[in-house]
Amino acid sequence: DIVMTQTPLSLSVTPGEPASISCRSSQRLLDSDDGNTYLDWYLQKPGQSPRLLIYTLSHRASGVPDRFSGGGSGTDFKLTISRVETEDVGVYYCMQRIDLPYTFGQGTKLEIK
Amino acid sequence: QMQLVESGGGVVQPGRSLRLSCAVSGFTFSNYAMHWVRQAPGLGLEWVAAISHDAKKKYYSDSVKGRFTISRDNSKNTLYLQMNSLRSDDTALYYCVRIPSLWGQGTLATVSS
Repeated sequence: DIVMTQTPLSLSVTPGEPASISCRSSQRLLDSDDGNTYLDWYLQKPGQSPRLLIYTLSHRASGVPDRFSGGGSGTDFKLTISRVETEDVGVYYCMQRIDLPYTFGQGTKLEIK
Repeated sequence: QMQLVESGGGVVQPGRSLRLSCAVSGFTFSNYAMHWVRQAPGLGLEWVAAISHDAKKKYYSDSVKGRFTISRDNSKNTLYLQMNSLRSDDTALYYCVRIPSLWGQGTLATVSS
């Protein structure tokens, strides 16, 4: 199974400041057949289902503000929030779906200072 | 409006069974592979099982293989998860998911004596 490791596990950010979350996979997530990197990012707000933020490495899902961006290569990936807002609180997860079983990172809890 | 609505959760004793259902609407169910993902109380996300669009291929996590069965009825737009020989560590909120973008609200299965 592919192991996904997120850092940090918690983050406290002042509104308006940037934030980033790293995710490392134990195997490469690049599909050489179609060129896609199958790494997604989710945000789970308290009491809610996970919401897709970023899919296939860097594509923002519908309705996701452009302050969220995803990037990386190989086995190292990053979610960046350019300017954190109070509504961004919750737990962020990375997930790989290049190979079954799909696996998630442990989650990163973002709090507002 | 695309929607996934899970049902069937409840409290059961160890060793007993539960059958979860997921009613789908707003998209052509028979065109998509579907998944179950679970989340134990206060913990992270765990992929459980997947089924191809035509039900010919089924995949399971090692933790549920041999005990859980995923199935679907494309004529009824419904996904199922038959859970047998339940254990206390199966206690979780079970999400029906059209990975990566569409998640249900979840149904809680509690295994306790």
